[in-house]
Amino acid sequence: DTGVSQNPRHKITKRGQNVTFRCDPISEHNRLYWYRQTLGQGPEFLTYFQNEAQLEKSRLLSDRFSAERPKGSFSTLEIQRTEQGDSAMYLCASSSGQGWTEAFFGQGTRLTVV
Amino acid sequence: AQSVTQLDSQVPVFEEAPVELRCNYSSSVSVYLFWYVQYPNQGLQLLLKYLSGSTLVKGINGFEAEFNKSQTSFHLRKPSVHISDTAEYFCAVSDFGAGNMLTFGGGTRLMVKP
Repeated sequence: DTGVSQNPRHKITKRGQNVTFRCDPISEHNRLYWYRQTLGQGPEFLTYFQNEAQLEKSRLLSDRFSAERPKGSFSTLEIQRTEQGDSAMYLCASSSGQGWTEAFFGQGTRLTVV
Repeated sequence: AQSVTQLDSQVPVFEEAPVELRCNYSSSVSVYLFWYVQYPNQGLQLLLKYLSGSTLVKGINGFEAEFNKSQTSFHLRKPSVHISDTAEYFCAVSDFGAGNMLTFGGGTRLMVKP
């Protein structure tokens, strides 16, 4: 297992375009998380899934942001009508089991909106 | 609601010197506490965690941290740093039963000089 994989690693898009990022978690990890990290700041929680169920989405930054995990394996994060303020690193993490278990982070997707 | 404050944005230190990175948190409920490290162009890696029990916890790479409930602090220490410890360090909290969602501090850049 190679850990949490995120694609693409870098994305440059024009303002107003839609973008989609993919996260492949560690095999059989049933929890998957999305975070956003802006320059010079710590990661900020966005949403999380347990299997295919999205259990927390109130922290998504606006209705332009949405996430899916249709089969309980990989997940996608979509941003519609991108704005320059969306430029950031988007991090995915996964963990297994009940109670507290360590979350393993991917290397992130860096989004630049021009 | 929870919050995490890392009091120093940058900490320069000479190689083989001791270092302390400070972290204070606020929460209305009991929390788990963590320190993560982020090397350039890499994902976050868990250094150590406090879940319960002994307030002094040891982690990887010779780091340790002490949980102080009365001062709501969780400072990270290392008695002798190496050049390879140069990285960004993040303190984080998670409350019980919150699906392991993490609230991060703003980070401290540790710069080890020869």
